[in-house]
Amino acid sequence: TQLLEQSPQFLSIQEGENLTVYCNSSSVFSSLQWYRQEPGEGPVLLVTVVTGGEVKKLKRLTFQFGDARKDSSLHITAAQPGDTGLYLCAGIIQGAQKLVFGQGTRLTINP
Amino acid sequence: DSGVTQTPKHLITATGQRVTLRCSPRSGDLSVYWYQQSLDQGLQFLIQYYNGEERAKGNILERFSAQQFPDLHSELNLSSLELGDSALYFCASSVGGAGYGYTFGSGTRLTVV
Repeated sequence: TQLLEQSPQFLSIQEGENLTVYCNSSSVFSSLQWYRQEPGEGPVLLVTVVTGGEVKKLKRLTFQFGDARKDSSLHITAAQPGDTGLYLCAGIIQGAQKLVFGQGTRLTINP
Repeated sequence: DSGVTQTPKHLITATGQRVTLRCSPRSGDLSVYWYQQSLDQGLQFLIQYYNGEERAKGNILERFSAQQFPDLHSELNLSSLELGDSALYFCASSVGGAGYGYTFGSGTRLTVV
């Protein structure tokens, strides 16, 4: 059983469309991070959110941390082929120092 | 280049053998983390070292061991290898704890035949 459940697992859309990826848990996290991983490479940190309700923007990417700090979402506006990759959420459970990862959402943006 | 160096990039070995994976963390980072990534299990935390000392253990098998040396590089030793150990092994480093975010290396792809 995954501590962090990501949905959808796979998403294939056309260039220019908007999309949202979700990361859910029954546990409370002291912080949550989003990474993007491309084939043959390690994950690259995109953002860290620490406060319940926090919203962070990174160009066309908007990250939100749930009010209860149990969930997060990643919204991409006007997706581009360069956004293609595996998106991973990762959280630090309250009281622990270990970062646990979700299974990831494999995103494909078709030109 | 993330600053975290992992060698070798690819490794093919037979069942029952022993291999050593090496990681040099980003300059200034004291923490090193090892993760295993397989298609069905995702990224699984194995072990963490901080400034030479073991800090946390995850789902690391008894056949696996690791250490961090005084120069902060780390090695992950995998012994009595089984087919199911085939996976990508990633090393990550951070300046402090997990809350600072991790910088990952490019990984070592281990294939056990």
